Formats: sequence, structure tokens, C-alpha cells
Amino acid sequence: DAKTTQPPSMDCAEGRAANLPCNHSTISGNEYVYWYRQIHSQGPQYIIHGLKNNETNEMASLIITEDRKSSTLILPHATLRDTAVYYCIVGGYNKLIFGAGTRLAVHP
Amino acid sequence: DGGITQSPKYLFRKEGQNVTLSCEQNLNHDAMYWYRQDPGQGLRLIYYSQIVNDFQKGDIAEGYSVSREKKESFPLTVTSAQKNPTAFYLCASRQDRGWDTEAFFGQGTRLTVV
Repeated sequence: DAKTTQPPSMDCAEGRAANLPCNHSTISGNEYVYWYRQIHSQGPQYIIHGLKNNETNEMASLIITEDRKSSTLILPHATLRDTAVYYCIVGGYNKLIFGAGTRLAVHP
Repeated sequence: DGGITQSPKYLFRKEGQNVTLSCEQNLNHDAMYWYRQDPGQGLRLIYYSQIVNDFQKGDIAEGYSVSREKKESFPLTVTSAQKNPTAFYLCASRQDRGWDTEAFFGQGTRLTVV
């Protein structure tokens, strides 16, 4: 399973876009990039996933570089409720391996 | 309502006792997973199962056991052999149709061993 590298923490002002980076330089050709988030003491929540094309849904956008070695999760208009730990995961036909994630703090 | 249910939400046990955490899903998912989370840490995979009557060890399986007798159920037993069992335990399920599927998580069981 490919490993991911994320910054441990980030800040964002409410109403601004939050751009969360992830490096996954060892990703293989058929592995997807998944993003989840975890609000304190709850189960992780699925956000979005993609293979090589950029993806958008009602929660976020996912930008994957052409070489697929990195990606960025974009929350277009961050709110206080977006404060959470965000996990970037690469994989995983049979299992999902979580790293330490990025702790995003959205402030007024 | 379709979903994945973990029970109980909080569990207290005395040291040396085995304890079983419940995980049930009605999503008709093939694959199920157990993770452990310690304070301020990410999730670590304990066991996973892709099909009934089959399961695989994850990264930290020592001191834990599982069974998968029914598609909808994947109970986790924390045995007395687990040296530091106090943690937040999360169960997840996923449709096993290849790479392109997301996992759904329960709300977790917080186990405290005293």
C-alpha cells in the first residue's frame, strides 16, 4: 500500500477556501486517492475519491496532479464545522491504511 | 435506515477480562474492518474481512480476535493478551467491487480497561 504525507496542521479563515495537500509519490497505477475527515470522537466521514481526473462533489473538490504523485483537497468555503482531522489515503482493494492526517482549524 | 452500528458506545472492563465489541451493518457490504485509535493518533488496522468465514490480520492484530459468521456482523474480541487495550475502536464496511468504493464507519466504541 502506498504511503501518504500530509502536514500535521493547517489554519483557515471562515469563508475562505481550505486547500489541504497530500503527497503520495509511491502510488501505483490502479490505486485511488481517498479523503476522509474525522470530527472529534466520531467515526471518519467519507469526503471524495479519485483516480486521475479531478473530482467535485457537494462537499469538496479533489485535484490530482498529472503524475499522480500528489493531490489537493479543496473545501471551497470553509465553515467552523469543517474543523476536523483530514486523512488522505491511497489504496486499497482490500484495506485502507490511515496516516496521521492534517488537523484543520477553521477560525472566525 | 441503512448504516453501520457499533455497540456499546462506552465500555468499561477490568484488566484481564476478555471483551467483545459489536459491529453490525445493513448495507449489504462484503468487506468489513476494525481499527484502533489512540488519543491524538491516526487509525491503525486490526483485522479485516472481505467475505464471510474469512478474515486477515492487519498491522496490530496481536491480542485481538474476530469472527465473520454472517455477512452483516463482524465482532471484535479484545483478549487479556492485549497489553494496552484502552482505546477508541472503529468498525467500517465497504462494498467489495474493486478499488473504486468508499468505506462507511460506525461511531465507535470507547473501551476503558481499569
